[in-house]
Amino acid sequence: QLQLRESGPGLVKPLETLSLTCIVSGDSISNSNYYWGWVRQPPGKRLEWIGSIYASGSVFYNPSLQSRVTISGDTSKNHFSLTVISVTAADTAVFFCARGVKPHGIQNWGQGTLVIVSS
Amino acid sequence: QPVLTQSSSASASLGSSVKLTCTLSSGHRSYIIAWHQQQPGKAPRYLMKLEGSGNFNKGSGVPDRFSGSSSGADRYLTISNLQSEDEADYYCETWDSNTHVFGTGTKVTVL
Repeated sequence: QLQLRESGPGLVKPLETLSLTCIVSGDSISNSNYYWGWVRQPPGKRLEWIGSIYASGSVFYNPSLQSRVTISGDTSKNHFSLTVISVTAADTAVFFCARGVKPHGIQNWGQGTLVIVSS
Repeated sequence: QPVLTQSSSASASLGSSVKLTCTLSSGHRSYIIAWHQQQPGKAPRYLMKLEGSGNFNKGSGVPDRFSGSSSGADRYLTISNLQSEDEADYYCETWDSNTHVFGTGTKVTVL
């Protein structure tokens, strides 16, 4: 059974770097039938797609975030990661990792992790 | 880049039905979407994939009470026999050239 679990600090200082990891069990991030992604949700607001990584290594980002985010995968550890640089209070959100079925939408979600940007 | 528009809220009585709408922007009328449910304080849950033809495929364990349909640029989610646990936010999602977008979400209240 697929499980996705987000891991990372819950508090990040302004202008620093936010780093999260999604630990995957029950499937391999090398499975070419799927893609792996990140979605965030600021408090009280809607879901926002951040980006996705494919087994081929291709990565696609939300154009509005592209200049500050990086998604990478580690097949040896079967996890994928998100890095956001130069964070501000506007980056405070619950971050979800997810799995989608090519060429369609997200079908599996992690439980989410709250990241607060504050000094 | 497609844009998805949803009504902000909907309400219906326990045991009745409610129909939610997700409207695709001009030029994207044929796009497939997905519906997701987010109960308060929880992660989203995938409900179904919905095509422009009205064909839909539900996720594992999604009750029969949930169904999808389509008309032009509109994609619908109908919840029949509304239960208290259906009180949640519902989001539609679509994708284009490996980029994804979510709708604004509809908050469903069970009266």
